[in-house]
Formats: sequence, structure tokens, C-alpha cells
Amino acid sequence: NAGVTQTPKFRILKIGQSMTLQCTQDMNHNYMYWYRQDPGMGLKLIYYSVGAGITDKGEVPNGYNVSRSTTEDFPLRLELAAPSQTSVYFCASSLRTGPNTGELFFGEGSRLTVL
Amino acid sequence: KQEVTQIPAALSVPEGENLVLNCSFTDSAIYNLQWFRQDPGKGLTSLLLIQSSQREQTSGRLNASLDKSSGRSTLYIAASQPGDSATYLCAVRPAETSGSRLTFGEGTQLTVNP
Repeated sequence: NAGVTQTPKFRILKIGQSMTLQCTQDMNHNYMYWYRQDPGMGLKLIYYSVGAGITDKGEVPNGYNVSRSTTEDFPLRLELAAPSQTSVYFCASSLRTGPNTGELFFGEGSRLTVL
Repeated sequence: KQEVTQIPAALSVPEGENLVLNCSFTDSAIYNLQWFRQDPGKGLTSLLLIQSSQREQTSGRLNASLDKSSGRSTLYIAASQPGDSATYLCAVRPAETSGSRLTFGEGTQLTVNP
């Protein structure tokens, strides 16, 4: 299994541009998440999904959108990029049932800079 | 609102030392607690997951304990090695649902000196 795969690993955007961060997992996990990690601020939840067709807002959803058309994929879209969205973005997934319910598995991260 | 605190923020120890990392949380109504390791420029790697009904979990040189009533978890690393140098984060999942929001601590940056 590849686990959780994120692309791209690095990206530089200009203010006002849009882009999509891709995330796919091959572990048949029900739950998927997007976090951002800023220095000294810890990880903040942007959006999450408990299954295909279902998404919900986390702590810091403004400026982002997500979709979950399949179990495997959970893309994060940035509309009208702003410097405040400069961060490292992590996608994660977890199972809903089983002895290790809720154990989170993370991708390698996508480092985004908005200039 | 759940708050998770990790103390110390940074720790430097000589190789071979046993050490303890601390994680405290304000709301004891948790579903589970997970410890992660993060290497510079990398994602988070799951180390240990403790369900709310458990007191401890062990994996190799790592042992994590959970005391829900006092809102504390510790990660014990035995015989530390330079390869253990990384940032260690804990995260708690609330009890009201098993699937959604974790709250992360800000991590302890560990340096093990040869």
C-alpha cells in the first residue's frame, strides 16, 4: 500500500490564483481530513469527510473547498489565494471501525507559498 | 473547548538516556489519544494509539500511558538514540464522535546528541 499520497509537494502561487491540492489513499479508509500546519501554531483542521459524498467544516475552512466523490480521493481547492494561506498542508485518513479506530495516517505534506 | 499542551517545547539529551515527554488535555471526555513523530519537512508518522479504555501501549522502546481522570499522557522513550531526534506530537479525539476533530498539541522537539 502507498498509504496517503499528496500532490504537489511544493507550489508557489500568486495572490488571487486558484489551485487544487490532491490527496488519495489506498487503505479503504472512511474518514479523510485536511490540516494546515503553521510554525508555532500546531495543526489546524480545515475540512474533513466521513465518507463519499459527505464533507464538513473544521476549525479554519474559510478560503477553501473540498469534495469527496470517491472513497479514495479528497481534493482541497484554494480559491483566490492569499498570503495567509502560505502553509504546509497535510492530508490524513482513518478507519471508522476496528480495534484501531481513529488512528490517523498522514501524507507527506504539500508546501504552499503565496506571493 | 479541548486544549492540548505539550511540555517541554524542546528537549536535548545525550544518547542512551531514558526520557519522558508529556501531554496534557483539559477535557477528559476523549475517545482516544495518539502520539506522532514528525521529521523536518515530512509528514506525521503514527507511533502509538491509546483508546480511552486503555492505560498504556508499547511499541519497541516506546511506551505511552494514559490517565484520563488527570488529563495526562506520557511518552517514554528508552535508551534514546540520535535517530529518535524529531518533533513528537500528541493528539486527542473527543468522545462524542469517533470520526472527526482531533486536537493537536504543538509538539516537543527532541534532540538526542551522540
